Amino acid sequence: QQQVKQSPQSLIVQKGGISIINCAYENTAFDYFPWYQQFPGKGPALLIAIRPDVSEKKEGRFTISFNKSAKQFSLHIMDSQPGDSATYFCAATDSWGKLQFGAGTQVVVTP
Amino acid sequence: DTEVTQTPKHLVMGMTNKKSLKCEQHMGHRAMYWYKQKAKKPPELMFVYSYEKLSINESVPSRFSPECPNSSLLNLHLHALQPEDSALYLCASSQEESSGDSPLHFGNGTRLTVT
Repeated sequence: QQQVKQSPQSLIVQKGGISIINCAYENTAFDYFPWYQQFPGKGPALLIAIRPDVSEKKEGRFTISFNKSAKQFSLHIMDSQPGDSATYFCAATDSWGKLQFGAGTQVVVTP
Repeated sequence: DTEVTQTPKHLVMGMTNKKSLKCEQHMGHRAMYWYKQKAKKPPELMFVYSYEKLSINESVPSRFSPECPNSSLLNLHLHALQPEDSALYLCASSQEESSGDSPLHFGNGTRLTVT
């Protein structure tokens, strides 16, 4: 049973467009929400992370929006570039530290 | 380049072979992990070592045997694997195990094919 639900499974966006990936969870014990980016043939790499006491966090072109009451969070990639083409995983951990991954979203940015 | 180094990058083995995957980190992290990742799926946790002691075994079959010789090294010994064990095996490390905001640092994995 997937504890973090992620959508869409894949998306195609034009260069310069906005990519949006959504995640939802049920376990209110989750207290840390990282996003990982994975390129083909590579391991996942931490992209950006947020705690539930913050509603938004921005790092460069990447922004996490967090809605604690709805138990939802999303990743926005602004001005998407072909180099952003990768698989993105949302995740959540509780105080025990075990990471629960979403199913992943394959993002393709067309030139 | 990743700070977690895994060798070999690729491995092909028969079902009767014995092989080992190796992982090394020099970030002073005290927790190390093995994950298995199938194509188009998220990584699945296999084992966690904390301060060189096995802390979590996610009901992994005994044909996979982890070993943590010291705080920088993690091995995964493979024996009598099945074709369905073919996958990308990822090693990761973090500052501490049970710290919710201690991010995982992944290696680039070993692509394992069992014939």
